[in-house]
Amino acid sequence: GDSVTQTEGPVTVSESESLIINCTYSATSIAYPNLFWYVRYPGEGLQLLLKVITAGQKGSSRGFEATYNKETTSFHLQKASVQESDSAVYYCALGDLAGANTGKLTFGHGTILRVHP
Amino acid sequence: EAAVTQSPRSKVAVTGGKVTLSCHQTNNHDYMYWYRQDTGHGLRLIHYSYVADSTEKGDIPDGYKASRPSQENFSLILELASLSQTAVYFCASSEPGQGVQDTQYFGPGTRLLVL
Repeated sequence: GDSVTQTEGPVTVSESESLIINCTYSATSIAYPNLFWYVRYPGEGLQLLLKVITAGQKGSSRGFEATYNKETTSFHLQKASVQESDSAVYYCALGDLAGANTGKLTFGHGTILRVHP
Repeated sequence: EAAVTQSPRSKVAVTGGKVTLSCHQTNNHDYMYWYRQDTGHGLRLIHYSYVADSTEKGDIPDGYKASRPSQENFSLILELASLSQTAVYFCASSEPGQGVQDTQYFGPGTRLLVL
């Protein structure tokens, strides 16, 4: 079936350090995968951080970047310099662009990020 | 103002009791979803709905019912709550476009503890 695997957390970094959270996917039943990163801040619901619908493209938001790599089936999240306010739970998700599963998402387990000042 | 709200935000229920979780959205979206999250697991889809008065089974529907009486409201019903249903429940809405996987907008979650 379809699945998403991401870095086990918690990930702890110091402010201004770089960050990478790995995400790989398996899209056995999805004809046109598209990929998302969602973030959940304490006490809030998940919100979209970035999304990419075309393989080879890069998405970016709030200093975060992720490139959709179809060859390695990866969508790693990176940031050059984290801030304490980036502390949250990050979820990688897989969607179906145009197939029978349109509208549904498959989520990874989430990675807790803790940024120390 | 929050576009997807959930009630209650937390609940303690007894085993065998009935639990109803409510979700309300003001996004004017046709699609709504219920997920659960357990520690160490990703969000898993329980039920979803494309239109009012119709619901679909997700990946883990056993032990849950859903009701979509209007475009704005989507409820998740646990007729006989069990210990294994202790989790955080998220509601979401979206409006998939023409061949485009659109963004899902989430509520803040409901923390359910079944004793």
